[in-house]
Amino acid sequence: QVQLVESGGGVVQPGRSLRLSCAASGFTFSSYGMHWVRQAPGKGLEWVGVIWHDGSNKYYGDSVKGRFSISRDNSKNTLYLHMNSLRAEDTAVYFCTRDENHTGYEYWGQGTLVTVSS
Amino acid sequence: QSALTQPASVSGSPGQSITISCTGTSSDVGGYNYVSWYQQHPGKVPKLMIYAVINRPLGVSNRFSGSKSGNTASLTISGLQAEDEADYYCSSYTSSSTWVFGGGSKLTVL
Repeated sequence: QVQLVESGGGVVQPGRSLRLSCAASGFTFSSYGMHWVRQAPGKGLEWVGVIWHDGSNKYYGDSVKGRFSISRDNSKNTLYLHMNSLRAEDTAVYFCTRDENHTGYEYWGQGTLVTVSS
Repeated sequence: QSALTQPASVSGSPGQSITISCTGTSSDVGGYNYVSWYQQHPGKVPKLMIYAVINRPLGVSNRFSGSKSGNTASLTISGLQAEDEADYYCSSYTSSSTWVFGGGSKLTVL
C-alpha cells in the first residue's frame, strides 16, 4: 500500500534553515510528481510546491518562492523540502502528497510539525 | 496566487443537502477540470472526496458529488450525517503550473 512518511520537523529559530524528508513506499516513486502542502495551526491548507517525477520541473507558492526548494532522490524513494530564511509564519504541519495527474491528492503523509520561534 | 473563495461556514440538519461553493478565475477553476475537494476532521489528515471536478475515489460515499459552472466549483453533500461535520477544502490547478486551495468551509450538522 502507498505510504508517505514525513520527518525532520522541529523547533527552529527565525532566519535558520531546516530540511524535511518524505519517505515513499508502496509505489514506483520515480513515476510520480510530488507535492508539499502545509497547514498553520488552526488555519487552512496551503500549497507549498511541486516537483515533477524526474525532478525536471519545480514550482512554488508565492509565500515560499526564493526561500524553499524541493528536491528528490529517486534512488532512495525520498522527497525533500529545503527551507531557508524561516519566518514565524512558516510554522505549520508540512504534508507530502502524491500527484495524481493533477487531479487531486489521494495519498498524504501524517505530516511533520515545524515551529519557527526564538 | 490568490486563494479560492469558499464560504467560511455552512450548516444543515441531518438528512438535508448542502452545497459548498469554490470560486476562482478563468486561470484556475474555470480553465481546467482539475478541481478537487478534501474533508478534514480535527487533528486528522485531509481526505480526498472528489477529484477532477466530478469523480469520487473508491470508498467515498455517493452522497458526495461535485460540479462546476464557469469559475465556480461546488461540492454537494446529500443526506447529511453527523459524521460529515468537518472542514472542507477545494483545490485547483492553475495556469502558472501551480496549485491553489480555498480558504476552507466549516460544515456544522445541526
